[in-house]
Amino acid sequence: ILNVEQSPQSLHVQEGDSTNFTCSFPSSNFYALHWYRWETAKSPEALFVMTLNGDEKKKGRISATLNTKEGYSYLYIKGSQPEDSATYLCASTLGFKTIFGAGTRLFVKA
Amino acid sequence: NAGVTQTPKFQVLKTGQSMTLQCAQDMNHEYMSWYRQDPGMGLRLIHYSVGAGITDQGEVPNGYNVSRSTTEDFPLRLLSAAPSQTSVYFCASLGQGAYNEQFFGPGTRLTVL
Repeated sequence: ILNVEQSPQSLHVQEGDSTNFTCSFPSSNFYALHWYRWETAKSPEALFVMTLNGDEKKKGRISATLNTKEGYSYLYIKGSQPEDSATYLCASTLGFKTIFGAGTRLFVKA
Repeated sequence: NAGVTQTPKFQVLKTGQSMTLQCAQDMNHEYMSWYRQDPGMGLRLIHYSVGAGITDQGEVPNGYNVSRSTTEDFPLRLLSAAPSQTSVYFCASLGQGAYNEQFFGPGTRLTVL
């Protein structure tokens, strides 16, 4: 069974702050790492899929990096805005199983 | 495309009742899965299917059955509902390979009294 862990559990920042979260996963038998953004009362929406060690992906003010050798990924948000408030989930895929972390809940105060 | 659809959106059951949560997708995706979401625990995989006729267990399969008779449909059956199954259930699908993103349905909020 995969054990995917995310930290911190929650984070409160001011508008304009930059922030980052961590996702750790077993590095053996790694296949793919996914980041999702999940707003309250909605369904999770995909942000990034990363597969190669050293991968970096960017979408607007949000970016992510991947280290498959040590089993971690970072998600960065530059200049947080209130609309960035959401839960950010990471998930690791092993074969056909995708296992999610518990998420980091981000609150951005205007 | 409607994407991934789930019915019902809300359901209240009494302990011991059975029911089926419906999930359908119109993207011709091979892989479909069911998750439950509980506070502080993220999404936990219940069952998944890699194609019609093929299903397998996830992290928390007990108390649930699935079948995959067609590519489009992946129903989740609760055999004898228990209060511990009170949760929000999400169905998801993705195309061939883990490199693709999963598309999630809108969720079903289930309460077992």
